[in-house]
Amino acid sequence: ILNVEQSPQSLHVQEGDSTNFTCSFPSSNFYALHWYRWETAKSPEALFVMTLNGDEKKKGRISATLNTKEGYSYLYIKGSQPEDSATYLCALFNQAGTALIFGKGTTLSVSS
Amino acid sequence: DAGVTQSPTHLIKTRGQQVTLRCSPISGHKSVSWYQQVLGQGPQFIFQYYEKEERGRGNFPDRFSARQFPNYSSELNVNALLLGDSALYLCASSRTGHSDQPQHFGDGTRLSIL
Repeated sequence: ILNVEQSPQSLHVQEGDSTNFTCSFPSSNFYALHWYRWETAKSPEALFVMTLNGDEKKKGRISATLNTKEGYSYLYIKGSQPEDSATYLCALFNQAGTALIFGKGTTLSVSS
Repeated sequence: DAGVTQSPTHLIKTRGQQVTLRCSPISGHKSVSWYQQVLGQGPQFIFQYYEKEERGRGNFPDRFSARQFPNYSSELNVNALLLGDSALYLCASSRTGHSDQPQHFGDGTRLSIL
């Protein structure tokens, strides 16, 4: 069974702080890793799809890195803003390549 | 372009009843996946369909079934509802369902079982 672990479970930061979260997964049979942002009362929004070891992706103040050999990905947010408050979900495709397996998410709260 | 649309938004049923949830993918997307999300957990995979064929099935009982229509819309059916089926049901679409494509989610259907 593919197990995707995210840490921390929740995080509270002040506006302007930079922060990062971790997604851990089994390093064997890697297909692709997805990051999604899920704001309250909205639908999950895709941030990044990462497929290669060493991948680095950036979208504005948010960036992500991938290490498939050791089985982890980091999501970074630079200069957090209140609008960054959301749950950030990491997901891996299963070995059959047919299903996204999600972690429980990291809930970020940014205070102004 | 319209995003993924799901209906209904909310639904209340009683134990033993049956329910049908509907999903329309983004235009041009041929793959639809269904997920169940309960509080405190990430979405859990139920089904993936591509070109009207079931491509994958998660660890859910046979009470759960789905289908995809020629226009790529999809329905999720749940029979003999249990209290534990209370959850947010999310539909997601992508062009082909391949792992290198992001999935686009709808707002979900909130199902409550009394």
